[in-house]
Amino acid sequence: AQRVTQPEKLLSVFKGAPVELKCNYSYSGSPELFWYVQYSRQRLQLLLRHISRESIKGFTADLNKGETSFHLKKPFAQEEDSAMYYCALTGTSGSRLTFGEGTQLTVNP
Amino acid sequence: DADVTQTPRNRITKTGKRIMLECSQTKGHDRMYWYRQDPGLGLRLIYYSFDVKDINKGEISDGYSVSRQAQAKFSLSLESAIPNQTALYFCATSDPSSDRGAYGYTFGSGTRLTVV
Repeated sequence: AQRVTQPEKLLSVFKGAPVELKCNYSYSGSPELFWYVQYSRQRLQLLLRHISRESIKGFTADLNKGETSFHLKKPFAQEEDSAMYYCALTGTSGSRLTFGEGTQLTVNP
Repeated sequence: DADVTQTPRNRITKTGKRIMLECSQTKGHDRMYWYRQDPGLGLRLIYYSFDVKDINKGEISDGYSVSRQAQAKFSLSLESAIPNQTALYFCATSDPSSDRGAYGYTFGSGTRLTVV
């Protein structure tokens, strides 16, 4: 079974501060991990995926297989980063995505 | 025009009523999904379909049914709505040719359903 856990439902930081959204997963094989973002009143959209090793909107995420984590980080948060963030996983059995519970990030001015 | 369109956007219905949520897509994707979103629970998979003849239950299928009328259409039905089915429902599609399909996930705007 595959499972994704986001321990923080709410996270609040000030503009310019570093931010880290935590994600832990459980999967017996080789997972693919993703971060999706949902801005207010908008649909979910893909933010980044671990195999791309890319930085999107200043966000990065590193897959740590030893700790089974895929934390999302940004060194300097911006107010427009305020949104709901979902960590998601898919495994070798198909393309079904399993989502975490979500973290609502608020960046205060 | 949106790639994945859900109708209605909002719906209030009474307990015991049958209701259908519709999803249509212009992406040409074979795979379609229905999720529900609840605060603190994230998105949970209700049903998914990998092609017109393939329907599969997700983790929370009880109380729901689906119909894949065509490649482009995937409907979710609540046979007898109950208040704990009040949620935001999302349809999504994916492209199996792009890295197990997950990279190609496209979501609709959601249907907010309230059962009173």
